[in-house]
Amino acid sequence: EAGVAQSPRYKIIEKRQSVAFWCNPISGHATLYWYQQILGQGPKLLIQFQNNGVVDDSQLPKDRFSAERLKGVDSTLKIQPAKLEDSAVYLCASSSSYAGAFFGQGTRLTVV
Amino acid sequence: GQNIDQPTEMTATEGAIVQINCTYQTSGFNGLFWYQQHAGEAPTFLSYNVLDGLEEKGRFSSFLSRSKGYSYLLLKELQMKDSASYLCAVRDDSNYQLIWGAGTKLIIKP
Repeated sequence: EAGVAQSPRYKIIEKRQSVAFWCNPISGHATLYWYQQILGQGPKLLIQFQNNGVVDDSQLPKDRFSAERLKGVDSTLKIQPAKLEDSAVYLCASSSSYAGAFFGQGTRLTVV
Repeated sequence: GQNIDQPTEMTATEGAIVQINCTYQTSGFNGLFWYQQHAGEAPTFLSYNVLDGLEEKGRFSSFLSRSKGYSYLLLKELQMKDSASYLCAVRDDSNYQLIWGAGTKLIIKP
């Protein structure tokens, strides 16, 4: 079974630029999560999708972050414009109803 | 509110046993998960408890007491490669959201 695919692995951008991350979940997994993880902390949920609907986006900074999951499969997370404090690892994970989350390798974003 | 507590850091000796505790206070409960995360990598799934008791999987075991809001991860015959952060997460049964602890950094010494 293929795992969660994410791209890119690394990204360096200047502040005020925009960036997009892509995620392809495990086939058949209805739930998709985007997390932000800062070094030394646990993952912070940005947005959770159930199929192509949003379950929770309460911690998504909506003035600069957006996410979509078209057709309930792939998802993209966008930041525009980026700030220095957005430097973090962005993790995508997917799960089925009664299983834990399986993570992609993550995208390490550095904003300079 | 939702809260998960685990120690920030623990140190243990190669070949020994270590127990990492996790206490939680959540509005709903539909399972507790343990993940391992090596530096610079994504978390990987270790174990899942939804009923009280001990789940054993090789050198790793996980215990859950729902009445006490308590779990632990037990690692036996420690190896240097077990040096990592161990994350405790609780699934909320209202929306399947995972609530995460900050992780316990485990340092293994020879």
